[in-house]
Amino acid sequence: QVQLQESGPGLVKPSETLSLTCTVSGGSMTSYYWSWIRQPPGKGLEWIGYIYNSGSANYNPSLKSRVTMSIDTYNKHFFLTLHSVTAADTAVYYCASSPISTRQFDDWGQGTLVTVSS
Amino acid sequence: QSALTQPASVSGSPGQSVTISCTGASSDVGGYKYVSWYQQHQGNAPKLMIYDVSNRPSGVSNRFSGSKSGNTASLTISGLQAEDEADYYCSSYTSSSTRVFGGGTKLTVL
Repeated sequence: QVQLQESGPGLVKPSETLSLTCTVSGGSMTSYYWSWIRQPPGKGLEWIGYIYNSGSANYNPSLKSRVTMSIDTYNKHFFLTLHSVTAADTAVYYCASSPISTRQFDDWGQGTLVTVSS
Repeated sequence: QSALTQPASVSGSPGQSVTISCTGASSDVGGYKYVSWYQQHQGNAPKLMIYDVSNRPSGVSNRFSGSKSGNTASLTISGLQAEDEADYYCSSYTSSSTRVFGGGTKLTVL
């Protein structure tokens, strides 16, 4: 079991770039997929993508053109970058961990609200 | 990829059982054992309730059970309690190695 904590700006202007950090504690960064998931206010969950400790990543096809994920295993962080944001990107953003041997999201951060507005 | 299909809402009285369905395709739910279910209370992060179709994590009540038939997975909650009132989401691994969620189901305990 790991603990996850999201951090980053709560307000981003339209057309700019959203950048979030997830800090991992209480476990190793190997043997997990590290995911970002978001939830617009009053709506359902949307998987954004995952990254592995090798740096390989896989993204939701609907967001793939605007998303980049990276990882710093030494300092136990992983990162989300979302380019050219619009109001539709306003959401609570969660980071989550999935064991490589299975595919479920075992542990979640508390989430951070990002609002896209001028 | 398309979201998995869940009913928008279900309800039941205390002590009763309810079942929430999650319908996908052979490229996700029907093709793999990697279906999971999450409970989300208002204002909180989701919590894993079922993984690999029917396995319960340590600490989750045995009133929660999961199953799958073809392209449809199901979550059954027996002996409904007031604390079960929440939103429930299914998720599946896909043939593209991505993940997909259902639209969510609001459970009301009458």
